[in-house]
Amino acid sequence: RKEVEQDPGPFNVPEGATVAFNCTYSNSASQSFFWYRQDCRKEPKLLMSVYSSGNEDGRFTAQLNRASQYISLLIRDSKLSDSATYLCVVNRGAGSYQLTFGKGTKLSVIP
Amino acid sequence: DTGVSQDPRHKITKRGQNVTFRCDPISEHNRLYWYRQTLGQGPEFLTYFQNEAQLEKSRLLSDRFSAERPKGSFSTLEIQRTEQGDSAMYLCASSPSKGARSPLHFGNGTRLTVT
Repeated sequence: RKEVEQDPGPFNVPEGATVAFNCTYSNSASQSFFWYRQDCRKEPKLLMSVYSSGNEDGRFTAQLNRASQYISLLIRDSKLSDSATYLCVVNRGAGSYQLTFGKGTKLSVIP
Repeated sequence: DTGVSQDPRHKITKRGQNVTFRCDPISEHNRLYWYRQTLGQGPEFLTYFQNEAQLEKSRLLSDRFSAERPKGSFSTLEIQRTEQGDSAMYLCASSPSKGARSPLHFGNGTRLTVT
């Protein structure tokens, strides 16, 4: 099983739609979880950290399910500017500072 | 600009040549990472420094790759005897020492093309 797995997509959604991405991770000892956004030919940028109780930042909501070892990202009211690749990121284990990236899920928001 | 800086932005080299990339992290960040990314893939971890100490290395980092951070500030990544399979975007990132939950701040990357 890969350390971090994501559906590569692409997800093509109309403006205003709600879209959700899931990510699974293999190491039950992982403690740190993030979603990064990467635009074409640009560097990844932090979108949001993921906390155990779930957290929200504007139109974005992240959830963590430790029992099932998956993380989700929900985007409400999609904008054209949300078109990007979304990378799920997990640390390698308890206290590890090595962050493992998934392959990413590509989102295209269509007018 | 106080972000992570990488140099050069692009490098084209012939197979067999050596190349060296430089990364200047955010000044107050103790941790520095190197990742490699190819088209359609997520960034793959190469190595990580805490100050000047190289604490983790990936199995991806063959003996042709070496990274240094001699004074705990900037870092260099050298690839010897480059191969076409080394063509990729090399990303440097830094983070502060605030536990394992500190996110990474990436530079713009160095795009390497080996011909």
